[in-house]
Amino acid sequence: QKEVEQDPGPLSVPEGAIVSLNCTYSNSAFQYFMWYRQYSRKGPELLMYTYSSGNKEDGRFTAQVDKSSKYISLFIRDSQPSDSATYLCATSPGGSARQLTFGSGTQLTVLP
Amino acid sequence: GAGVSQSPSNKVTEKGKDVELRCDPISGHTALYWYRQSLGQGLEFLIYFQGNSAPDKSGLPSDRFSAERTGGSVSTLTIQRTQQEDSAVYLCASSRQPLGLAGGGTDTQYFGPGTRLTVL
Repeated sequence: QKEVEQDPGPLSVPEGAIVSLNCTYSNSAFQYFMWYRQYSRKGPELLMYTYSSGNKEDGRFTAQVDKSSKYISLFIRDSQPSDSATYLCATSPGGSARQLTFGSGTQLTVLP
Repeated sequence: GAGVSQSPSNKVTEKGKDVELRCDPISGHTALYWYRQSLGQGLEFLIYFQGNSAPDKSGLPSDRFSAERTGGSVSTLTIQRTQQEDSAVYLCASSRQPLGLAGGGTDTQYFGPGTRLTVL
């Protein structure tokens, strides 16, 4: 079993829809939670960064972490065609572990 | 300002050959990471460098893989005797601080565009 599970999709939604992307993880030591966006043939770019549990909002993007259920979510409001990309969740326990553990990514297409 | 750069962007090689992949991190970033992304897979950690400390090599899949970081800046990932299963995108990332040591986003990992390796 992978430490971080993510539905690979693909997910297609109409422009303006609310998108919900999710990951589950198994290691209760994970404390740092991130969402990266990756366009085709590009490197991932950080969208959201959350430490421990709770919600974080940035413009049209909201990240939620529920450590009790080991569940990570990213919501995109008023989705745009430019949001079409692969979304990767990532996490780490921190401490002596400096690297991130990634989900496999969800491919999102927002149709105009 | 310049981001993380990687070269070459694409590399096609024959099975059994050695390859070298280069990463130029963002200036002033002390931490440097290599990850591998296979088709349809998430990123897999390979190796981590921090300043002059001994690197964390725990993610290297075999002894055919090695990496160096010279002068605390440029890094080279070397794969010896390449195999077809080594075909993937190799991504480099750097951060100003290592993850978990400081807040304020200074431990954010910034990724380069990757090197797409194809082993025939």
